[in-house]
Amino acid sequence: EVQLVQSGAELKKPGESLKISCKGSGDNFITSWIVWVRQTPEKGLEWMGIIYPADSNIRYSPSFQGQVTISADRSINIAYLHWSSLKASDTAMYFCARRGNWRAFDSWGQGTLVTVSS
Amino acid sequence: DIQMTQSPSFLSASVGDRVTITCRATQTISTFLNWYQQKSGRAPKLLIYGASSLQSGVPSRFTGSGSGTEFTLIISSLQPEDFASYYCQQSYSSPYTFGQGTKLEIK
Repeated sequence: EVQLVQSGAELKKPGESLKISCKGSGDNFITSWIVWVRQTPEKGLEWMGIIYPADSNIRYSPSFQGQVTISADRSINIAYLHWSSLKASDTAMYFCARRGNWRAFDSWGQGTLVTVSS
Repeated sequence: DIQMTQSPSFLSASVGDRVTITCRATQTISTFLNWYQQKSGRAPKLLIYGASSLQSGVPSRFTGSGSGTEFTLIISSLQPEDFASYYCQQSYSSPYTFGQGTKLEIK
């Protein structure tokens, strides 16, 4: 089973950039699809996009296309979520997860709280 | 996008009760329907995948059923650790959308 550990909470100002990470343990990480999910009280759980670290094949939800960048470094088993210019509306909890059988998300990181405030 | 609607949004029940949560999709998703449990401050946890398959380690009091557009999660006898929020999610087509959640509270 892939275990996922995310980077710590972040407090940033609007306009700043940010990259958060999701480190996987085990050989299966590279050949697992890794998703990013946003959670807010207003909108609940939202699927942002997915990456296959073995070849960096990436798909974005239309709602997040152009708003964030998903990437991975297969040499160190890490997936990333990057913002070039944060907005207050990016304040949320962000989870990474592994896509398993029936495309369900069967292993989750602990979450990274991102707060964007001036 | 496929929209997922859960009912009820809030549910008050007692230990030992049988509870049912329903999830409806705006178009057919076959059995690409998953259920998650989330406790406060924690990541979601997969309970059921493929509409009715129990994830490894999940107690058998959790049962999922349905196909097409209507799905059900049943907890046969509530235990204290089951009071949490529950989410359905379709994995039939991208973007993989979630229901708005059902918060299960102690009566």
